[in-house]
Amino acid sequence: DTGVSQDPRHKITKRGQNVTFRCDPISEHNRLYWYRQTLGQGPEFLTYFQNEAQLEKSRLLSDRFSAERPKGSFSTLEIQRTEQGDSAMYLCASSLTGSSNGELFFGEGSRLTVL
Amino acid sequence: KNQVEQSPQSLIILEGKNCTLQCNYTVSPFSNLRWYKQDTGRGPVSLTIMTFSENTKSNGRYTATLDADTKQSSLHITASQLSDSASYICVVSATNAGKSTFGDGTTLTVKP
Repeated sequence: DTGVSQDPRHKITKRGQNVTFRCDPISEHNRLYWYRQTLGQGPEFLTYFQNEAQLEKSRLLSDRFSAERPKGSFSTLEIQRTEQGDSAMYLCASSLTGSSNGELFFGEGSRLTVL
Repeated sequence: KNQVEQSPQSLIILEGKNCTLQCNYTVSPFSNLRWYKQDTGRGPVSLTIMTFSENTKSNGRYTATLDADTKQSSLHITASQLSDSASYICVVSATNAGKSTFGDGTTLTVKP
């Protein structure tokens, strides 16, 4: 399958621990996005990369959150010192600029539960 | 500020019935509008994409309309099936913008 893949699909952690999520985009896609989604809400933008450059970060992305895309392929999203309010689904999406109006292809998400 | 408002927030219909979901937006300058279907616990999947010049697009039993003048879109689902139960999210992109603006979605429940 050549879609967007995310790992892990589910993560349960204790408050104060660090967690890291990984996203592998569709191979030829140059843009990669991270979103956070809570129950009953639409995805909230966190950050996006074009190739390896992080072009925009939301104010939602506190200093406990960091994202990288070191070689312009896969990306990681790390949350340090997790809080209960971080419990959410973290969605990754990729797109190819100039193709299909930049349609976003989403992964299945990584669900984080902070106890 | 770019915004996308969807209505209703939730909807319950009987299997076989039709329904229409609404999306109003203030994103400017407009590039395209997409409808996504999101099953519970899964990632969103694209249903339709429309640009400024398109006012109707169909994908099976799903038909999306776009009125760029009034900045409104609708998603019509015909002959609903139980598998249509999901959240339907309207996403609008501005020209030359890196990120899109998402609505909060309409949760559709189809009952037998």
